[in-house]
Amino acid sequence: GAVVSQHPSRVICKSGTSVKIECRSLDFQATTMFWYRQFPKQSLMLMATSNEGSKATYEQGVEKDKFLINHASLTLSTLTVTSAHPEDSSFYICSAAVRASNEQFFGPGTRLTVL
Amino acid sequence: GENVEQHPSTLSVQEGDSAVIKCTYSDSASNYFPWYKQELGKGPQLIIDIRSNVGEKKDQRIAVTLNKTAKHFSLHITETQPEDSAVYFCAASIPGNQFYFGTGTSLTVIP
Repeated sequence: GAVVSQHPSRVICKSGTSVKIECRSLDFQATTMFWYRQFPKQSLMLMATSNEGSKATYEQGVEKDKFLINHASLTLSTLTVTSAHPEDSSFYICSAAVRASNEQFFGPGTRLTVL
Repeated sequence: GENVEQHPSTLSVQEGDSAVIKCTYSDSASNYFPWYKQELGKGPQLIIDIRSNVGEKKDQRIAVTLNKTAKHFSLHITETQPEDSAVYFCAASIPGNQFYFGTGTSLTVIP
């Protein structure tokens, strides 16, 4: 149980375009989803926390207008990278948690390359 | 906020030997301490976790110990195998709050 999927697993796009990444909890209802960004050989950096039906809470330094997060249901959250630039190229990972539980279940990640 | 430090950053061991990775945390309110294994190009995979009401937990070749007084916890892998080679992250959290991750340890098991 506790499986989280991400789609796509890998995406290459041109500079200036927008990219949407989906995160789904397959066998449980996630009241909270987290979005992380990871650069090579570095740890996970939390970008934002989203609770179902409410606005996401962004970490300091993360542009909310650039990284749009929608958590429309208890099983789906999306991250849209708007007007992507090469510096947005990274590994994006989501995780899902059940309210009042410590545990987070991570997705397999999405490799974004902006040309 | 919470600050988690992890050591060493890289670790090489001979196959069959043990590997130990240590983490310290700063916030005494943290009560959940998971360990994740991340292989190249993949998401983190939970391998073991411990809560603050427990001092030690073991699952086959993997064990975690927690010292609440000293605010440190450690991952122990015994009888290491080449497939244990990966990056390992520790984390600390307070219920309902975000995870604070360590900086990661790249473990290489030499056949």
